[in-house]
Amino acid sequence: TQLLEQSPQFLSIQEGENLTVYCNSSSVFSSLQWYRQEPGEGPVLLVTVVTGGEVKKLKRLTFQFGDARKDSSLHITAAQPGDTGLYLCAGESYSSGTYKYIFGTGTRLKVLA
Amino acid sequence: DVKVTQSSRYLVKRTGEKVFLECVQDMDHENMFWYRQDPGLGLRLIYFSYDVKMKEKGDIPEGYSVSREKKERFSLILESASTNQTSMYLCASSVTGTGVTEAFFGQGTRLTVV
Repeated sequence: TQLLEQSPQFLSIQEGENLTVYCNSSSVFSSLQWYRQEPGEGPVLLVTVVTGGEVKKLKRLTFQFGDARKDSSLHITAAQPGDTGLYLCAGESYSSGTYKYIFGTGTRLKVLA
Repeated sequence: DVKVTQSSRYLVKRTGEKVFLECVQDMDHENMFWYRQDPGLGLRLIYFSYDVKMKEKGDIPEGYSVSREKKERFSLILESASTNQTSMYLCASSVTGTGVTEAFFGQGTRLTVV
């Protein structure tokens, strides 16, 4: 069962536009991570959000953790071609006494010059 | 910097072969993971290990086994490769704090089973 749903699945925008990617769950997470993956490479950690309502900024990227810690968003301002990649959210899931680290379905972003 | 190294970037194997995918991390992390990544299906957890000689099944363990004899090394084994195991395989390691896991990934192994 996939616990982390991301939307949109695909996004193609022009350089300079703004965009928001969403990561939603019906479960509460103690923290969520966001990663970016470029073609042919492994995902690279961008940020961790821990506190409900927390907002973190990484240059033109703004990450927010929902108040109830069930969802998160990633907002990119003035997107650039270098932002192109697959964006993944991830978090710890506890089920039947077992911990797992699971990933969202991913949002594939293409920024056109 | 944390470094996670997978033994091969690309592999081509025949159906029925036994395949070993090796992963080594250099940061003394307790946790190690194997995922496979397929278009439209995202990253799916195959197995993980939180200590030497310990292993836990992930969401799709069928057809795979793992070995962790040393803390820095986590191996994924395909006992008898099948074409539906053609995929990108990603290894990761992490230190787990209280409710916080931050994973560091290898570069991936693209396995093709013919």
